Amino acid sequence: DQQVKQNSPSLSVQEGRISILNCDYTNSMFDYFLWYKKYPAEGPTFLISISSIKDKNEDGRFTVFLNKSAKHLSLHIVPSQPGDSAVYFCAASAGDSWGKLQFGAGTQVVVTP
Amino acid sequence: GAGVSQSPSNKVTEKGKDVELRCDPISGHTALYWYRQSLGQGLEFLIYFQGNSAPDKSGLPSDRFSAERTGGSVSTLTIQRTQQEDSAVYLCASSLGMTGGGGYTFGSGTRLTVV
Repeated sequence: DQQVKQNSPSLSVQEGRISILNCDYTNSMFDYFLWYKKYPAEGPTFLISISSIKDKNEDGRFTVFLNKSAKHLSLHIVPSQPGDSAVYFCAASAGDSWGKLQFGAGTQVVVTP
Repeated sequence: GAGVSQSPSNKVTEKGKDVELRCDPISGHTALYWYRQSLGQGLEFLIYFQGNSAPDKSGLPSDRFSAERTGGSVSTLTIQRTQQEDSAVYLCASSLGMTGGGGYTFGSGTRLTVV
């Protein structure tokens, strides 16, 4: 069963605008959430994370929001740049299983000039 | 090395054959993870090794899959009697201890195609 879901397989956004990527999860034991970015033929690279004790974490152009009651998180990229074109994966882990991340299926972001 | 190295980068094998995939983690990283990504899917956890502890094999899909880590460094993932559904990109990652994922460094993966 898919415990982490990214329902939008793709997203197209103009350069300079905001990209909003969404992720939903079903397991209430998840307490740590991450976003990874993946370019073709490369492994995923860590982007930003958030602990369940917070509802927002910001790092430069990237902000992750967590709504625990809705079991929903989102990644905002502002402003979007052409180099942001990649596949973005949402992932989650539970406190007793640090080494086992559950990943969503990914969202392909295309930033157009 | 500077990053996580995986070999081969591509492997095509006939159904029923055995394959070995290799992972060289970052020197000094005590934790090593294997994931796989099937077409259109997210990454699926397979197994992780942490120091000298017994590995967590709970993600291995069948007994055809096994992995070992020799000397706390290099790891080999072995798939016996490969099936077409084993076709995927197999990704290895390493980290300094159990960091919850943020500290993972992934390799570029091995693309396995079973024909």
